[in-house]
This record gives sequence, C-alpha cells and structure tokens, in this order.
Amino acid sequence: EVQLVESGGVLVQPGRSMKLSCAASGFTFSSFPMAWVRQAPTKGLEWVATISTSGGTTYYRDSVKGRFTISRDNAKSALYLQMDSLRSEDTATYYCTTVGSYYFDYWGQGVMVTVSS
Amino acid sequence: DVVLTQSPATLSVTPGERISLSCRASESVDSYLHWYQQKPNESPRLLIKYASQSISGIPSRFSGSGSGTDFTLSINGVELDDLSIYYCQQGNSLPLTFGSGTKLEIK
Repeated sequence: EVQLVESGGVLVQPGRSMKLSCAASGFTFSSFPMAWVRQAPTKGLEWVATISTSGGTTYYRDSVKGRFTISRDNAKSALYLQMDSLRSEDTATYYCTTVGSYYFDYWGQGVMVTVSS
Repeated sequence: DVVLTQSPATLSVTPGERISLSCRASESVDSYLHWYQQKPNESPRLLIKYASQSISGIPSRFSGSGSGTDFTLSINGVELDDLSIYYCQQGNSLPLTFGSGTKLEIK
C-alpha cells in the first residue's frame, strides 16, 4: 500500500524558513517523479513544485521560484521542500504527491504551514 | 497560464441522479485533463486521468469525456458518499493548474 506521510509543519513568522519532509513507502520511490501541492484554508488546490526521479530536474510555480527548493533522497525514500522567505500567502496545507504523466496519483494526508507574526 | 473554469460552483442533487460537471480550459490541453475528488477533511484522490481513463479502485459510476477545451465529469447514480468537491487539473503545460472546483451537495 502506498503511504506518504508529511511532517514539519508549524507556525512560522514571515521571512523565516521551514523545511517539510515526506516519508514514502509501499512503492519504488526512486522510480516516480514527486511533487508538492498546496491548499490555502477554504481554497482550491495549487501546484507548487515537481522533481524528477533522479532529482536532477525541478519545476516551480513562479510565486515560489527562488524561495522554495524541492529535493529528494532516494536512499531514504524521502521528499523535501525547503521554504525560505516565507510570506503570509504561503499559509496552506501542503500535500506530498506521486506524479504520473503530469497528474497526481497518490496524496499524503497533508501538513499545515501557517505563516503569521 | 492555462485557466480552468469549472461549472457549476455548487450542485445540489438527489441520490440516484445522473449528473455532469463541466471544466473548460482557456486554451487546448489536448486530453491532458484529470479529475480529483476531495471529501470533507480528506486529501484529494485521483478519479479520472487523460479526460476519460478510469482509475483502479474508483467506482464505475464515475466517467469522463472531452478533449481540447471542453471536458465533463459524469456521475451515473449519485450516492451519499459522493458528497465532495471535484477539481479538474491540466497537465499539458507548466504551471500545472487546477480549476476552482465544483461542490456537490446531496439533498
């Protein structure tokens, strides 16, 4: 059974940093591209970033480019999202997902990130 | 960016009805259009990929159709368990984008 378990969410002040982690199990992690998708409170879904199987290729939405870094450790079956210079508009539940051909197969339970002073 | 417009925003239905939800793209996305279901307080799950391809484990009452700019998600015989928000998503070009969702209410 595919399992994706996110961690690291917390309350953080604007301008500070936070790193999210996603522990994957139940599938061959190194064979799948991965992504982060977020959802602001009471809002819709928003793609954040995608990473290739090797980690050598990454894609970001414009609003997080230069501030967020997606990475992975295939030996540990782990996905990460380093978030710097956080803004109030980054407040959301962040989901770790597997990626098919530009669709999102499996989703974690999500982790809440609140950016507020 | 490709804008996906979903309609209606909210749909109130009676169990057993056959319904159709619409997703319209601002430019052609070929068949790279996918549908998700998000139940209250749960994570989204993939319902349909590539406009009409079924997903293992998803009930057969869910089906999709369309190509280019106009897409439809149909539910043949709505059940109480279908109370959810339904999102479409395009995978034809970056940034990947989602529609704003259709909320399904069960009478």
